[in-house]
Amino acid sequence: KAGVTQTPRYLIKTRGQQVTLSCSPISGHRSVSWYQQTPGQGLQFLFEYFSETQRNKGNFPGRFSGRQFSNSRSEMNVSTLELGDSALYLCASSFSGVGWQETQYFGPGTRLLVL
Amino acid sequence: KNEVEQSPQNLTAQEGEFITINCSYSVGISALHWLQQHPGGGIVSLFMLSSGKKKHGRLIATINIQEKHSSLHITASHPRDSAVYICAVEYNDMRFGAGTRLTVKP
Repeated sequence: KAGVTQTPRYLIKTRGQQVTLSCSPISGHRSVSWYQQTPGQGLQFLFEYFSETQRNKGNFPGRFSGRQFSNSRSEMNVSTLELGDSALYLCASSFSGVGWQETQYFGPGTRLLVL
Repeated sequence: KNEVEQSPQNLTAQEGEFITINCSYSVGISALHWLQQHPGGGIVSLFMLSSGKKKHGRLIATINIQEKHSSLHITASHPRDSAVYICAVEYNDMRFGAGTRLTVKP
């Protein structure tokens, strides 16, 4: 079974631009969660999607949004990029979407640099 | 104050040593996870605990719900165990510790 894939792996943008990141979960997994990792703040939860519905959202501004498609693939979008958005963005998938009460499988991440 | 505290922040050991990493949390949780992150960023989920103890190979994880504390033990440590170990708790959303950077020297 293929693992969780994320595209692109690396991205350079400038302030004010917007960016869309993609995550394809393991086949059969219906829950996708997104995380931001920075040296200063560590790992932080962005949001979780299950069956195309956002079930949970972390404490991030409205510039951060996401969606999930019927095939469970998910995208996250960041509008009006700021320097502080430079980070590693990770997604994780799980089978039944019972929050984190089951093993999470992480993708390799997308490293975003905002100049 | 971070709801999830890990100690130590950094740990250097010689190959073969017994390693303990600690995680304390301040909120009631549904589950606690131990994650391993290697250089380059990839994260692997090692354990999910809601009570008691779990063992996988040389890794052992324990949790004491009453004391709000969990430990990750590595027996007979090896240089390939060098990574950042992160404790995560499920509480409304997910909360993460800052991580423990482990370096095992041959």
